[in-house]
Amino acid sequence: AQKVTQAQTEISVVEKEDVTLDCVYETRDTTYYLFWYKQPPSGELVFLIRRNSFDEQNEISGRYSWNFQKSTSSFNFTITASQVVDSAVYFCALSEAEAAGNKLTFGGGTRVLVKP
Amino acid sequence: EAQVTQNPRYLITVTGKKLTVTCSQNMNHEYMSWYRQDPGLGLRQIYYSMNVEVTDKGDVPEGYKVSRKEKRNFPLILESPSPNQTSLYFCASSLAGGVGWDYTFGSGTRLTVV
Repeated sequence: AQKVTQAQTEISVVEKEDVTLDCVYETRDTTYYLFWYKQPPSGELVFLIRRNSFDEQNEISGRYSWNFQKSTSSFNFTITASQVVDSAVYFCALSEAEAAGNKLTFGGGTRVLVKP
Repeated sequence: EAQVTQNPRYLITVTGKKLTVTCSQNMNHEYMSWYRQDPGLGLRQIYYSMNVEVTDKGDVPEGYKVSRKEKRNFPLILESPSPNQTSLYFCASSLAGGVGWDYTFGSGTRLTVV
């Protein structure tokens, strides 16, 4: 069965520190997609990235970077030089080809608090 | 602007009083879905719809109903709300069912049942 684990429930850093959010997933599918979403205090979900299971290239977008490793079933997210605006809850999610209902399976989320 | 619109944004109601949360998308998406978000559990799928008149249960369907009479609308109905349905609800849509499509989420509905 599909499962996403975000072991860190809350991380607190001081501005300009780097922070890495862990995401470990379980799936029997060979075709799947992984996502990261940001949920700021206002509550909406902001899409950050989607990565398919056949593309293990790491990705960088500004201060954000993602490390996808199929060997360890992990899709970790790093914020470099964190800013107060990065304070939010971050969700990792999995979508499988064989899952009924086109379901996104979410991790429990990691709350990031960036202090000035 | 392409979007998924949920209403209301906030709702406080009493146990047993029927309510409907509306969801509408303007992107002609075939697929729509409802999720609820609870602390530590992330988001869990309640119901989904692959197209008009095609709906099915997700992981936590108990106490909820849905309908898909038109492509753009996918309301979530709580016939007899209970306090354990206090949660943050999200509607989502994508162009089609199946893996690989991007999802568009609504802004969320925070429901409190007292």
